[in-house]
Amino acid sequence: DADVTQTPRNRITKTGKRIMLECSQTKGHDRMYWYRQDPGLGLRLIYYSFDVKDINKGEISDGYSVSRQAQAKFSLSLESAIPNQTALYFCATSDLPGGASNEQFFGPGTRLTVL
Amino acid sequence: DAKTTQPPSMDCAEGRAANLPCNHSTISGNEYVYWYRQIHSQGPQYIIHGLKNNETNEMASLIITEDRKSSTLILPHATLRDTAVYYCIVRRITGTASKLTFGTGTRLQVTL
Repeated sequence: DADVTQTPRNRITKTGKRIMLECSQTKGHDRMYWYRQDPGLGLRLIYYSFDVKDINKGEISDGYSVSRQAQAKFSLSLESAIPNQTALYFCATSDLPGGASNEQFFGPGTRLTVL
Repeated sequence: DAKTTQPPSMDCAEGRAANLPCNHSTISGNEYVYWYRQIHSQGPQYIIHGLKNNETNEMASLIITEDRKSSTLILPHATLRDTAVYYCIVRRITGTASKLTFGTGTRLQVTL
């Protein structure tokens, strides 16, 4: 079973709709992240969380909100979707700094299309 | 975090070594060099990281110049499955977010 899962994997929605993307992890990591990727570009950080009580904005948080329901779950919401939020969204997790590699583990991605 | 510069694309014949360069001339003493790759819209995958010394693992080797202003990722025997976009990232591992700042990477095409 995958360590980091995302649901849904694909979603098509209309402008103005509220959308929630969910991420779950079984790695036992405290840190979780949401990124978006646009065609031909690298990933950009939307929000990140160090633990259940900690939420931080990334470089492109406008138009998004998050909820850390538990250590294993981190949800991303688009309150009122707009077409330029059409992108590939990735969730990631990592352990605390000083871990073996401090690498981030990524989910398979959610492809969101806003019409 | 320091900015990195990578060539947009490279080709490599299967079975040969793939050498992917990265410039990070503004790197600070407490910044690490990380490499990730992304295979066709999948989630990025960690490859290797290093601070000063050269590093090797089961996937690749990382060669960092003595002045740390550049590095090279080496895939010793590239296969078709290594075709991907490779990202070189420089970042601190601090008490704050260990976030990754992705550039546009190098698209490596491994051919027969």
